Amino acid sequence: GAVVSQHPSRVICKSGTSVKIECRSLDFQATTMFWYRQFPKQSLMLMATSNEGSKATYEQGVEKDKFLINHASLTLSTLTVTSAHPEDSSFYICSAREGRAGGSPLHFGNGTRLTVT
Amino acid sequence: GQNIDQPTEMTATEGAIVQINCTYQTSGFNGLFWYQQHAGEAPTFLSYNVLDGLEEKGRFSSFLSRSKGYSYLLLKELQMKDSASYLCAVADSNYQLIWGAGTKLIIKP
Repeated sequence: GAVVSQHPSRVICKSGTSVKIECRSLDFQATTMFWYRQFPKQSLMLMATSNEGSKATYEQGVEKDKFLINHASLTLSTLTVTSAHPEDSSFYICSAREGRAGGSPLHFGNGTRLTVT
Repeated sequence: GQNIDQPTEMTATEGAIVQINCTYQTSGFNGLFWYQQHAGEAPTFLSYNVLDGLEEKGRFSSFLSRSKGYSYLLLKELQMKDSASYLCAVADSNYQLIWGAGTKLIIKP
């Protein structure tokens, strides 16, 4: 089945530094990838839709200058949390749809738990 | 607005059957997904329904009624490892996924 690899799985960084999270589709091409954030005991919140070769589409309330997304190829999207602050501590999850049809399920990476101290 | 409702928490006994309901109101409908999410982990895909009726996959089944805006996930022969959150998500007219808040299922011996 389709596999999405996300790295790193955990990261602890100091306030003010930047963190890059990678998301790769291992056995399929993903023209679109999605970045989610999930706070404890809350539902998934879509942050942005990453489109290969073009600018990402951000959800309302998500700062595009703070959460930089680069979808450089059909198998790789990166999310960079710039100048991280403790309130950015969360579980970040990427996902990709295997096929183009809307009914194709999303496959999720294993997530990245970010802790900003 | 768009809305997905599912119970916050349910408790069931090992070996029993449990049904988790999901009702939705969305701008268009292009299918309903169920995902399982264990604590601290990413969601994993369970099922997809786009036509009315029951889809069975091993111990798990999912039902959809589009006219009622209603779905349920049925889990049979419950095992302790089924303790997790179950997320209902609907693809709207733009194929954007609208997520429910999830149902935390607690399995007791």
